[in-house]
Amino acid sequence: KNEVEQSPQNLTAQEGEFITINCSYSVGISALHWLQQHPGGGIVSLFMLSSGKKKHGRLIATINIQEKHSSLHITASHPRDSAVYICAVRSWETSGSRLTFGEGTQLTVNP
Amino acid sequence: KAGVTQTPRYLIKTRGQQVTLSCSPISGHRSVSWYQQTPGQGLQFLFEYFSETQRNKGNFPGRFSGRQFSNSRSEMNVSTLELGDSALYLCASSLGTSPGLAGFSGPGELFFGEGSRLTVL
Repeated sequence: KNEVEQSPQNLTAQEGEFITINCSYSVGISALHWLQQHPGGGIVSLFMLSSGKKKHGRLIATINIQEKHSSLHITASHPRDSAVYICAVRSWETSGSRLTFGEGTQLTVNP
Repeated sequence: KAGVTQTPRYLIKTRGQQVTLSCSPISGHRSVSWYQQTPGQGLQFLFEYFSETQRNKGNFPGRFSGRQFSNSRSEMNVSTLELGDSALYLCASSLGTSPGLAGFSGPGELFFGEGSRLTVL
């Protein structure tokens, strides 16, 4: 079982729909990142969370530390939101910290 | 403010050769981390550097190495290339913090470069 599990793997929505992507993890973490990757490879950091909820424009990210679960919500989705969304957790080892990534969620928003 | 710059963007090598990739972080950022992305394995952590010190290393063979210079620029090197090393190599920079009594608190928000796409033939 992967340390970071995302669902769904693929998601197709119509423009304007409310979208939720889920991330569950099995290790103790110091932070959780939500990343966006467009075709061509560039990655943009959307949120870094250690507790609670953050909002930026139409994007909302929440985390429940006790349940080891985070969600990324997109309100009023738009075709330009089409991308791969990746959850990553920062955990600590004796040698230092590392990021472990989920497999990503491919989101397609149709006009 | 200039973003994270990775060079070269694309390169083709043959098996057995070696390659060096460069990452220039955002000015003022002291932490640089490297990642490998392949279709089969997804994104995987390679290394993390802070103030010229390697803080952690991922589960990769010794053919993968890296370093960070005093100006925070970082390089990674892959020797004796194998076909499976074909991937997108991404670096990310962040402000980072210096170690204290509570330990290294982690690099914080990450800013990624566009990546170096390596093809091994």
